[in-house]
Amino acid sequence: DIQMTQSPASLSASPEEIVTITCQASQDIGNWLAWYQQKPGKSPQLLIYSATSLADGIPSRFSGSRSGTQYSLKISRLQVEDTGIYYCLQRYSNPLTFGSGTKLEIK
Amino acid sequence: EVQLVESGGGLVQPGSPLKLSCAASGFTFSSNWLNWIRQAPGKGLEWVASINPDGSSTYYPDTVKGRFVVSKDNAKNTGYLQMNNLRSEDTAMYYCARSRWFAYWGQGTLVTVSS
Repeated sequence: DIQMTQSPASLSASPEEIVTITCQASQDIGNWLAWYQQKPGKSPQLLIYSATSLADGIPSRFSGSRSGTQYSLKISRLQVEDTGIYYCLQRYSNPLTFGSGTKLEIK
Repeated sequence: EVQLVESGGGLVQPGSPLKLSCAASGFTFSSNWLNWIRQAPGKGLEWVASINPDGSSTYYPDTVKGRFVVSKDNAKNTGYLQMNNLRSEDTAMYYCARSRWFAYWGQGTLVTVSS
């Protein structure tokens, strides 16, 4: 199974700051990676797919990048509504596996 | 408007079966993959099952293979997850999601397995 090691487990930042969350894949997964945001008490929402493509209706403050087997989600100009837990997902091979999540708090 | 509405969750005893439904609207259900993902209380996300658009192929992780069966009725725009021989570790919120990228999720239905 492909392991997705996500970091940090939690972070706190202020509005207008920039934060980066990373996922390290245990093997090559190409661009078969997505990022999701789960706000408190809500279902997850797709933010980024194919490692770098922005999902429909998602603000351009969110961006994804890849360097080898390391994937990053960058959130620019943080807003209060960005509070939540962020997960990566690899869908290169079954079983599909999620990262353990990053809890983002906006101060 | 795209909608996915899960139903069928509840409290069941270990070893019992349960069937979840996922009613879809607002998109062409027959052209989309359907997936099930679960989240144990206070925990992360775990993929549970996927089925291709015409229902001819299904996929599961080892944790549920042989116990869970995913299906879809394209005429009724509804997907299903038949769960058999439930265990306490199956306790979770169960979400259905469309497309291979899980592009849209329902609100979830809670399954509690306890004696």
